[in-house]
Amino acid sequence: AAGVIQSPRHLIKEKRETATLKCYPIPRHDTVYWYQQGPGQDPQFLISFYEKMQSDKGSIPDRFSAQQFSDYHSELNMSSLELGDSALYFCASTPREGSYEQYFGPGTRLTVT
Amino acid sequence: EDQVTQSPEALRLQEGESSSLNCSYTVSGLRGLFWYRQDPGKGPEFLFTLYSAGEEKEKERLKATLTKKESFLHITAPKPEDSATYLCAVQVMGSNYKLTFGKGTLLTVNP
Repeated sequence: AAGVIQSPRHLIKEKRETATLKCYPIPRHDTVYWYQQGPGQDPQFLISFYEKMQSDKGSIPDRFSAQQFSDYHSELNMSSLELGDSALYFCASTPREGSYEQYFGPGTRLTVT
Repeated sequence: EDQVTQSPEALRLQEGESSSLNCSYTVSGLRGLFWYRQDPGKGPEFLFTLYSAGEEKEKERLKATLTKKESFLHITAPKPEDSATYLCAVQVMGSNYKLTFGKGTLLTVNP
């Protein structure tokens, strides 16, 4: 079965640089969620999109922005990177109709040096 | 504020030694409670969704139950391949479906 695809899987950036993370949801899933998981921490909700519109916002820094495109893939843009942004970033998708389960991708490991 | 607390933080079992993981929650209104399995460096893998008190779901050696205040994940006769972090998450009414996670239970099953 098709799963959520994230790219890149690993990313190394320096402080103050920018990064773009991409997420391709499961086919026919129209809702995308972004989560950040720091070392030894639980995933923290950042932002979500439904039908290309932002549907909810969590603890996402103002330096981060995201959008969902017409093909339902989503991109998380991170600017002025800080050491504390080093984490695993997960994307999850779900169909709006039916069950509420969120299916997670493999994640992007971002390291800021 | 919505809270999810998992216990114990870590659990070490011998192969075949059954046990339970606990997830207690305090939320304004529960839409659903979710169990995920996470292996190191990987994305959470969906296991179960529970929607109402009294509900139970099973999958192989795992069984999840739900009350009005907590959920249990029972592991029967575990095997080493069951070793992982088990995450509990809640979805709250009016929250636009985001998940609020507990800090997880790290399960180690020794052969």
